[in-house]
Amino acid sequence: DIQMTQSPSTLSASVGDRVVITCRASQSISSWLAWYQQKPGKAPKPLIYEASTLESGVPSRFSGSGSGTEFALTISSLQPDDFATYYCQQYTTYPITFGGGTRVEIK
Amino acid sequence: EVQMVESGGGLVQPGESLRVSCAASGFTFNNYWMSWVRQAPGKGLEWVANMKGDGNEIHYVDSVKGRFTISRDNAKNSLYLQLNSLRPEDTAVYYCARVYCSGGRCYSYFDWWGQGTLVTVSS
Repeated sequence: DIQMTQSPSTLSASVGDRVVITCRASQSISSWLAWYQQKPGKAPKPLIYEASTLESGVPSRFSGSGSGTEFALTISSLQPDDFATYYCQQYTTYPITFGGGTRVEIK
Repeated sequence: EVQMVESGGGLVQPGESLRVSCAASGFTFNNYWMSWVRQAPGKGLEWVANMKGDGNEIHYVDSVKGRFTISRDNAKNSLYLQLNSLRPEDTAVYYCARVYCSGGRCYSYFDWWGQGTLVTVSS
């Protein structure tokens, strides 16, 4: 199975900060990586797929980068609505696997 | 608009069975792979199963093989997950999710999610 490792697990930041969350795959997944945002009690919201393609309607302050085994989700200027937990997911092979999540909290 | 609504969750005892359902609308259901993803309380996301639009290809995570069965009724635009021999570690919110398809190909990125249904396994 492909293991997905996110870091950090928790991140404290202020509104306006630039935030970077990293995701590492245990083997190459090319660009078959997605990012989701989840708020308490809600379903995950798709943000990015194929490592860097923004889902329709997602603000441009979100961006994704990377390929192979190293990936990043960047929020260029953190907004109040962005405090949430973020998950990466590989979809190159079964079983589909998610990272453990990164909780972005208010500093 | 695309919508998925799950139902059927509840409290069951270890070893018992339950069927959860997902009613889909707003898209041509039989053209899409569909999935179940679960989330234990306070934990991360875990993919459970995928099923092709015509029902001819299915994949499961190892931890549910032989106990859970994914199925669909394209005439009713519905997806199901039969959960047998339930264990306390199966306690989770179960989400129905649509697999992204483009240009005639589908990729197991989940572009639409339902609100989830909670299954609790406890004596």
